[in-house]
Amino acid sequence: AQSVTQPDIHITVSEGASLELRCNYSYGATPYLFWYVQSPGQGLQLLLKYFSGDTLVQGIKGFEAEFKRSQSSFNLRKPSVHWSDAAEYFCAVGESDKIIFGKGTRLHILP
Amino acid sequence: EAGVTQSPTHLIKTRGQQATLRCSPISGHTSVYWYQQALGLGLQFLLWYDEGEERNRGNFPPRFSGRQFPNYSSELNVNALELEDSALYLCASSLSGAPYEQYFGPGTRLTVT
Repeated sequence: AQSVTQPDIHITVSEGASLELRCNYSYGATPYLFWYVQSPGQGLQLLLKYFSGDTLVQGIKGFEAEFKRSQSSFNLRKPSVHWSDAAEYFCAVGESDKIIFGKGTRLHILP
Repeated sequence: EAGVTQSPTHLIKTRGQQATLRCSPISGHTSVYWYQQALGLGLQFLLWYDEGEERNRGNFPPRFSGRQFPNYSSELNVNALELEDSALYLCASSLSGAPYEQYFGPGTRLTVT
């Protein structure tokens, strides 16, 4: 079975600083990969997804992610964070018609 | 276009009772997925319904069950509630045959006391 690891439970960055959230997956073939965001009291919103093709994927809200097969990684990046980016971020992988989620990384923004 | 809706927003039950959670998918979507988001455990897949049939089930005991109605809305039932069932239950929907294009509702917060 596939699995997703988000090694950082919490990350704190200053507003305006760059951000990288880490995600590693285990899967033999090319996986379907996702990043979701969950704001307090909200459901999940899809930021971006990778199915195939260009390994650098652009998403909403200025986020991007890069698929690196050699490292089994799909890290999420943003060049300059805003206070409104404070939320929990979930990396996920598609397997057997269902989505398997990592345990999430909570992002805190310092003013 | 309305998104996925869930009711109730909050639900408080006592141990041993039954809870019923409801989900209405996006218009045109025939697949409904249920997830449990418990503290410290992340999001775990519970159930998948498509065209009225249960298509897949996660690693949960049989007291977690559900159904999908002819209008594609869905109900999740949790019998014999235990304290560890306290969680946010998220519903998602997708078009049939597009299991990786899921749209999520805001969730139902179930508290078992």
